[in-house]
Amino acid sequence: VQLVESGGGLVQPGRSLRLSCVASGFNFDDYAMHWVRQAPGQGPEWVSGINWNGVIIDYVDSVRGRFTISRDNAKNSLYLQMDSLRVEDTALYFCARDRVPGNSNYFDPWGRGTLVIVSS
Amino acid sequence: EIVLTQSPATLSLSPGERATLSCRASQSVSSFLAWYQQKPGQAPRLLIYDASSRATGTPARFSGSGSGTHFTLTISSLEPEDFAVYYCQQRNNWPPLSFGQGTRLEVK
Repeated sequence: VQLVESGGGLVQPGRSLRLSCVASGFNFDDYAMHWVRQAPGQGPEWVSGINWNGVIIDYVDSVRGRFTISRDNAKNSLYLQMDSLRVEDTALYFCARDRVPGNSNYFDPWGRGTLVIVSS
Repeated sequence: EIVLTQSPATLSLSPGERATLSCRASQSVSSFLAWYQQKPGQAPRLLIYDASSRATGTPARFSGSGSGTHFTLTISSLEPEDFAVYYCQQRNNWPPLSFGQGTRLEVK
């Protein structure tokens, strides 16, 4: 099982960024998927989750209306469109699979993360 | 939103000793609590889910207990590779899924 994130980088406040996560080694379309972020020196923070077919989606309040999670099961890929970025969105963003098929809302495994820095 | 409070913030122990880490929830999460281990430069790794079930690959020296608002992660005899940061996470009441702020387990 492997999760590989990409798309991070340095971006100015107010701009946009799109993160991607490519999955391999399991039946991607059986599992809910999540984005979890971790600011420097802080604990993890769940950002968003999406069920296997993209029908059930939710967000932490601080990103609701600015971030959009999506998935393409044909491409074994998960995405996070991040608009109106803020300095406080600076973090390492992890893609994480749900522990079991369906929705357990525990994260196992995690990718290695992609770093997003929002700064002017 | 459920707030998880972990204690202590830092725990200093020696290899071979027993470690007891605490996680308290601001309201009941039933048994829907997990523990993760994170080493420097790595992603968190799931150790325990549903309060007391070991994830695949978790050594038997790790055990979880508790329900409602008070949970404990116990490491029966510390190995050198166990020194890391540990986080609890609840899934009972979401969104959001929430994590504690972590306990750093360091070598004494």
